[in-house]
Amino acid sequence: EDKVVQSPLSLVVHEGDTVTLNCSYEVTNFRSLLWYKQEKKAPTFLFMLTSSGIEKKSGRLSSILDKKELFSILNITATQTGDSAIYLCAVLNSGYALNFGKGTSLLVTP
Amino acid sequence: EAQVTQNPRYLITVTGKKLTVTCSQNMNHEYMSWYRQDPGLGLRQIYYSMNVEVTDKGDVPEGYKVSRKEKRNFPLILESPSPNQTSLYFCASRIDRAYNYGYTFGSGTRLTVV
Repeated sequence: EDKVVQSPLSLVVHEGDTVTLNCSYEVTNFRSLLWYKQEKKAPTFLFMLTSSGIEKKSGRLSSILDKKELFSILNITATQTGDSAIYLCAVLNSGYALNFGKGTSLLVTP
Repeated sequence: EAQVTQNPRYLITVTGKKLTVTCSQNMNHEYMSWYRQDPGLGLRQIYYSMNVEVTDKGDVPEGYKVSRKEKRNFPLILESPSPNQTSLYFCASRIDRAYNYGYTFGSGTRLTVV
C-alpha cells in the first residue's frame, strides 16, 4: 500500500526563522512528488519534483527530492506570517492516484 | 480563467436526503477526481475518472457515486448521506497525458450531515 508521511505534523516559528518540512514516501511505480500550500481554501500548487537532486525554487520556498532515500524537503527561508498554512505533500504513481500525506501545519508568529 | 468550479460551497443537510455536489472544469482535462479532507486524516481520494464514461474507486468510495457523461463535469452523488460523510470535499483535475503537471483544485464544499 502506498504511503506518504509528513513531519512534523505541526510547527510554530517566529517571523524570520527558516523552516524545513519533511515528506517520506513508499510508493509503487513512483512518478512525481508534489507540494501544495493550503490556507483556508483549496490546496494551491507549489512544486512538482520528478528528478533527484534538482532543487526547485520559488522566492523564499525551495524543494528537493531524493529518490534513493525516498524523501523530499520543503524549505521556507525568512518566514512571514503569510506563510502560515498547511503544507501538503503528495505522490503520483503510474496509475492515476495522487496520495497525500496528512500535512504539516505551520504557524508563523509575529 | 482556467479553473475548477464546485457548487455549493457550503451545505447542511439531513441524514438520508439525496444530494449532488457539482464539479466543472474549463481546461479540457481528461482526469478528474474527488477528495475528502478530515482532521487528522488528510486528503483521501473518493473516486476518479480518467475520461468520459471511465470512473473508478479511490480509497474511500463507500456511500458515494459519480458520473462522467461529459468531459468537463464530474458530479459527486450522495444517495443517502450519513453524519460520517460530514467533511470538506475537493474536486481536482489534471491533464492525463503527462506526469509533469500539477492538479488544479476547486474551492471546496463543506458538507454537514445532521
